[in-house]
This record gives sequence, structure tokens and C-alpha cells, in this order.
Amino acid sequence: GENVEQHPSTLSVQEGDSAVIKCTYSDSASNYFPWYKQELGKRPQLIIDIRSNVGEKKDQRIAVTLNKTAKHFSLHITETQPEDSAVYFCAASRIGNTPLVFGKGTRLSVIA
Amino acid sequence: NAGVMQNPRHLVRRRGQEARLRCSPMKGHSHVYWYRQLPEEGLKFMVYLQKENIIDESGMPKERFSAEFPKEGPSILRIQQVVRGDSAAYFCASSPTQGVGTEAFFGQGTRLTVV
Repeated sequence: GENVEQHPSTLSVQEGDSAVIKCTYSDSASNYFPWYKQELGKRPQLIIDIRSNVGEKKDQRIAVTLNKTAKHFSLHITETQPEDSAVYFCAASRIGNTPLVFGKGTRLSVIA
Repeated sequence: NAGVMQNPRHLVRRRGQEARLRCSPMKGHSHVYWYRQLPEEGLKFMVYLQKENIIDESGMPKERFSAEFPKEGPSILRIQQVVRGDSAAYFCASSPTQGVGTEAFFGQGTRLTVV
């Protein structure tokens, strides 16, 4: 089955700096890679996703890149703000009734 | 659209009791997934259901845990004879089509505490 590894487990950045979170996956058939943000005590919320037919996707300060050959994908947050502080989860899945498999999460702290 | 609704939000059970967790998917969604989240850990897949069918239960313990998604009504995750190790947040998510390659939306979760 699919296995998703996520690094780092914790990340602290100064406000205004960039943050990068990386994930690797094991199943070469995976073709959907979402990122979720979870604030303390709240539900995971989808912030961006990418499908295997593209290499990069951007939405304002957030971007995701995908390298299918290397089987890794990354989340990039630019101009970080204190409200970006949360736990971020990457996930992967593929066609065929398979559920999302999540990484263990990265706790991002943005220091004002 | 009210989103994915879970209840109760908080549930306290004594060891040996039963816990029933409910999940109503978003309107128009027929695929439901249950995940368990331990403190400071990620989301562990438990079970994937469509209406009246269990598609994948590979992440659900074989004993004491069961899930259903009847034709009418919410999906139910049932834990019998709870133990302290069952204490966790249980999230369900729903998606509108085949359930993969499309967005999955999470409910607010049920935080189960076993005392």
C-alpha cells in the first residue's frame, strides 16, 4: 500500500520568510496530492491540491510542486504570517477506490 | 450546504461501554471515510464506505470496531467495549464522486475520551 513520509515534523520561521514542507510517496500509481491545514482543535481543511498531470500549482502565497519521477511533492508558503501557524498534512491517493494516505504532519510556527 | 456534520463533538465513555459516532456527509456526497487522529499525530485511515457498502476497511481493527453507511441516515462508527487506547479524535470526510482524485472535506470531528 501507499506510504507517505513528511518532513520536517516542526518548522519555525520568522514572519515574512518562506516555509517549505516536503513529502515523499511510495506508490507510483498515486496521482492526487492534496495539502491540508489543521488549526488546534479544528478540522483539517484543504488548502491546495495537485494532480499528476501538472508539475506545479500556485494560489496566492501557496504553491505546490510535484516530481513524479522522484515521487516527491512540496508545499511552499511565501511571505508567511502568524495566521499561517498550524499543522500541515500532505496526502496521496490514486484511482481505484483508494482513500487518502496522510503524512504525519508538520507543525509550522510563524514568529512575529 | 452545511458541510460534513459529525456528532457528538465530544463523547466521554467509561471503559467497557459502547461509543457511537455519527457522520452526515455533504449534500450530494455518497463516499465517506473515517480517520482516527491521536494527539500530536497524523490522520490514520480506518474505513471507506459508500451507501450500504464497505469498500475498504483495511485500517479498522478487526475486533470491537464496526462501521455502516445505510441507505437513509448518517454513517455510524461503532466502538464496542471501549478501552483507554481508543481515546482519540475521530474525523470523517466525504467526497462527491468516486472518492479519489477529488477533494475530500472533513467534519469537525468527535473527540472520544475513555475514562
